[in-house]
Amino acid sequence: GAGVSQTPSNKVTEKGKYVELRCDPISGHTALYWYRQSLGQGPEFLIYFQGTGAADDSGLPNDRFFAVRPEGSVSTLKIQRTERGDSAVYLCASSSPKTGTGGNEQFFGPGTRLTVL
Amino acid sequence: AQSVTQLDSQVPVFEEAPVELRCNYSSSVSVYLFWYVQYPNQGLQLLLKYLSGSTLVKGINGFEAEFNKSQTSFHLRKPSVHISDTAEYFCAGNTGGFKTIFGAGTRLFVKA
Repeated sequence: GAGVSQTPSNKVTEKGKYVELRCDPISGHTALYWYRQSLGQGPEFLIYFQGTGAADDSGLPNDRFFAVRPEGSVSTLKIQRTERGDSAVYLCASSSPKTGTGGNEQFFGPGTRLTVL
Repeated sequence: AQSVTQLDSQVPVFEEAPVELRCNYSSSVSVYLFWYVQYPNQGLQLLLKYLSGSTLVKGINGFEAEFNKSQTSFHLRKPSVHISDTAEYFCAGNTGGFKTIFGAGTRLFVKA
């Protein structure tokens, strides 16, 4: 079956511009996560959705970052007024419908490489 | 603060030799522990996980890890590595919620 997909695979933008990164989770997965991975680092948690709602957005670095999941499947990570420090690989993951536990395997997409010039 | 520390950024090893990749965690992330692998140009995939029960966890591709509560460690081991094991390995943990903390990664480089 299809895995987690992310588009675009690469995005180059200029400082100050707005960008949207899309994630298509595995069908039926109600949990969806966004991470940011900077060079030489592990994934850094940004936000977690259970269904349509953001259950934990404590990892979003500031109010320039926002994510939505209006129908409980596809999610979009939105970054306003991009800065050079936002350059990173943005990863999306999804997991099974089980709730109440963080022990579920997360299935990761290939990531979107964002470069802010 | 929650943290997961991978003690080696790079581990070079010869093919067919044993390997251990070290991971220490803070007590606040000790509920569930994971090892993920990222092969070149691929997404992260789960190698193994510890939720409860036996402290020795077996995963895919011959890897295993041991949960050691007194040492707050979750080291990954393989008795004999292959060239194809060359990849980046990430240790991760969470407290039972969904905010998962990842270590910085260990690059395993297997030499012929």
